[in-house]
Amino acid sequence: NAGVTQTPKFRILKIGQSMTLQCTQDMNHNYMYWYRQDPGMGLKLIYYSVGAGITDKGEVPNGYNVSRSTTEDFPLRLELAAPSQTSVYFCASSYGLRGNTEAFFGQGTRLTVV
Amino acid sequence: AQTVTQSQPEMSVQEAETVTLSCTYDTSESDYYLFWYKQPPSRQMILVIRQEAYKQQNATENRFSVNFQKAAKSFSLKISDSQLGDAAMYFCAYRSFALLGGGADGLTFGKGTHLIIQP
Repeated sequence: NAGVTQTPKFRILKIGQSMTLQCTQDMNHNYMYWYRQDPGMGLKLIYYSVGAGITDKGEVPNGYNVSRSTTEDFPLRLELAAPSQTSVYFCASSYGLRGNTEAFFGQGTRLTVV
Repeated sequence: AQTVTQSQPEMSVQEAETVTLSCTYDTSESDYYLFWYKQPPSRQMILVIRQEAYKQQNATENRFSVNFQKAAKSFSLKISDSQLGDAAMYFCAYRSFALLGGGADGLTFGKGTHLIIQP
């Protein structure tokens, strides 16, 4: 059972480059999320999606874009990378709002922008 | 917007002893979920325990239990019989039902408490 899979695990980008962080889940969850974790801080929500074709901004969306064309995949796009985007990025998914609301997390992607 | 505060950046406990990690939150909502997540050095976020706000009974999972004080907006985690494998960052998190009313979804996290287990 793979759960939530993120790729890559590590990446170094130069300022101004772009990249896509991949996230896929095999639990048929409708809800998916992208968080970033800065050193000494908790996770902050970047974007979320409640189903295929539906996305919305979280607390810190600037500099990022997302799409959700399928239930399984929720890629995060960084355009024109900046040093402030150096962070660990987590993708997560959950079943719904009631009942089993546990969020399952991927292993994270450590991104460094130099 | 909700906020979650963990006032203990670091805690240390002897193996086999009991330790309590503090968490307070601020919200105007009456219905929500609270969670404790564990993050070991591997970075993996692991759910430890959850609490539904409408349930008065405190949640328990083996050696982990919570003290949920809704009026005080407090949600502390007690770890009994601490083990070396419990060493990790612990995050308190809040999830509202704002999405049902057109608001945003997602978890709001505290800054975390680094738990050290002394052998």
